[in-house]
Amino acid sequence: ETGVTQTPRHLVMGMTNKKSLKCEQHLGHNAMYWYKQSAKKPLELMFVYSLEERVENNSVPSRFSPECPNSSHLFLHLHTLQPEDSALYLCASSQGPRGSYEKLFFGSGTQLSVL
Amino acid sequence: DQQVKQNSPSLSVQEGRISILNCDYTNSMFDYFLWYKKYPAEGPTFLISISSIKDKNEDGRFTVFLNKSAKHLSLHIVPSQPGDSAVYFCAATGRIQGAQKLVFGQGTRLTINP
Repeated sequence: ETGVTQTPRHLVMGMTNKKSLKCEQHLGHNAMYWYKQSAKKPLELMFVYSLEERVENNSVPSRFSPECPNSSHLFLHLHTLQPEDSALYLCASSQGPRGSYEKLFFGSGTQLSVL
Repeated sequence: DQQVKQNSPSLSVQEGRISILNCDYTNSMFDYFLWYKKYPAEGPTFLISISSIKDKNEDGRFTVFLNKSAKHLSLHIVPSQPGDSAVYFCAATGRIQGAQKLVFGQGTRLTINP
């Protein structure tokens, strides 16, 4: 148990669906992250939030929309995804401010399949 | 342009022997390096780290070595145990072009054989 909880663990969706991934951290951290892990590729940073402010957006398509209502919760809203978006989506948090990338604590991820 | 590379996608080691996982990086602005371990169906967990001012950091069975001139780091696990079977990610962080960056390698799948 890392203190970072992600739901759902698995998600299958069609290309026209709208769904949301949820992440909650119980560690009192200041920064939260969304990463994408595709097979045989490095973890790719998607978004960074620090104290509820988005501090980094790594050229992610607009069909992915993050939301950080408070420092403990992070959402990733999904809309009209493509099959190549199928991957493991990982949420992480860290103590450091402004995405300083101190030791990251990861959730277990959401395995997403887009049909 | 992959700034952090783990050139071995997989490694198989006998239980009790030493496991050595390697990682190369290209950007000299990286100043802190981390190793994460990932079991199936779980997120990565932090294992050990090293600052660029050091060349070695040890924590129990795990030791990380850093060779700055070669831009190379390695993780040694000794003795290897079956529970060490996992995917290991190397990561490097530093201030690049005015922003703090963290870059992961592709991972190496370590299998410890009984």
